[in-house]
Amino acid sequence: GAVVSQHPSRVICKSGTSVKIECRSLDFQATTMFWYRQFPKQSLMLMATSNEGSKATYEQGVEKDKFLINHASLTLSTLTVTSAHPEDSSFYICSAREGGAVSNQPQHFGDGTRLSIL
Amino acid sequence: QKEVEQNSGPLSVPEGAIASLNCTYSDRGSQSFFWYRQYSGKSPELIMSIYSNGDKEDGRFTAQLNKASQYVSLLIRDSQPSDSATYLCAAAYTGKLIFGQGTTLQVKP
Repeated sequence: GAVVSQHPSRVICKSGTSVKIECRSLDFQATTMFWYRQFPKQSLMLMATSNEGSKATYEQGVEKDKFLINHASLTLSTLTVTSAHPEDSSFYICSAREGGAVSNQPQHFGDGTRLSIL
Repeated sequence: QKEVEQNSGPLSVPEGAIASLNCTYSDRGSQSFFWYRQYSGKSPELIMSIYSNGDKEDGRFTAQLNKASQYVSLLIRDSQPSDSATYLCAAAYTGKLIFGQGTTLQVKP
């Protein structure tokens, strides 16, 4: 159980392109999903918390107009990197969790999306 | 500033030995703790959850929590080369996870 699907797994595109990443919880409902970014040899950095039916909550320093998050259903959240530039190249990982906003259930991670902007 | 600290390693153990991974956290408000394993180039995979003081065992893995000392550990018995990975300790606080930097474990055949 607790399977999270994320795709695409890898994207290579030109600077200025917008890229959409999908995150789905396959066997449970996820009121809350999370988006992380990870640079090589560093730990995960939380970008934003995605809440079903409401606006995402962004961490300090993360541009909400740059990283658009939509959580339209209890099983799907999307992250769109708008007008991507080479400095946006990174490993983006989503996670999903059962329970409400302050649930202490574990987060389950998707397989990640490796984004490379040329 | 809420922090989770781990020794980055690498921690090197011979095959069959016990690997001991440690983690401390700064916020006494954290109530839930998790260990994730992350292979190079892959996403984290949940290994253990622990919520109360004491030990919790699952197969070759034992998680230990001491809230008074704000200390969490993970023991891996009979370590295998396939256990070689980075192990991330995480503390939950107000619904978010705060991750440590991770400890790299190398199990040598």
